[in-house]
Amino acid sequence: SAVISQKPSRDICQRGTSLTIQCQVDSQVTMMFWYRQQPGQSLTLIATANQGSEATYESGFVIDKFPISRPNLTFSTLTVSNMSPEDSSIYLCSVWETDQETQYFGPGTRLLVL
Amino acid sequence: AQSVAQPEDQVNVAEGNPLTVKCTYSVSGNPYLFWYVQYPNRGLQFLLKYITGDNLVKGSYGFEAEFNKSQTSFHLKKPSALVSDSALYFCAVREKGGSYIPTFGRGTSLIVHP
Repeated sequence: SAVISQKPSRDICQRGTSLTIQCQVDSQVTMMFWYRQQPGQSLTLIATANQGSEATYESGFVIDKFPISRPNLTFSTLTVSNMSPEDSSIYLCSVWETDQETQYFGPGTRLLVL
Repeated sequence: AQSVAQPEDQVNVAEGNPLTVKCTYSVSGNPYLFWYVQYPNRGLQFLLKYITGDNLVKGSYGFEAEFNKSQTSFHLKKPSALVSDSALYFCAVREKGGSYIPTFGRGTSLIVHP
């Protein structure tokens, strides 16, 4: 299975600032996703990170607030821009491994905005 | 369209007793079904999946799940619960031949009492 790492693992940020979260996969994957999760709650898909093209955002999420980069098949970043306390959440990177028909998740980034 | 339901927010079980975490799904065609576990302050960890074949699927940590097409269910089971099994469990479904993005349930908190 794919091994996924995320940086940072957690951060405390001031409102109005931005944070970039990095996701690194140990193998090339076509499909990469970014999710948001409130502690103890279900997952909300933010966007699909497409290699070589713009990310595909879900309803309620926009590129200006959550810009995503996907420069190659093993790496992606998610930026949370102009943060407010409502952005406090866990952000999860995920990949779909086609040959195993399975989705795998990174360890998550725990963000607290003050 | 695909959807999944986890009817219980919380399941309580005594250590050593069997446990069941319920999941029902809805897809237009044939499903891929998944179970994930999330321990506190961790990302989602893949437990098991049903793609095709035997309806009884065995996974990590002694967990198993049974695919029941007539009842559109995929309940997670373990014969003897451990306190360390206490975690948040997510069921997910993806329609074969459909979008690569699975739909996740809202999660069930499993609490195993000593």
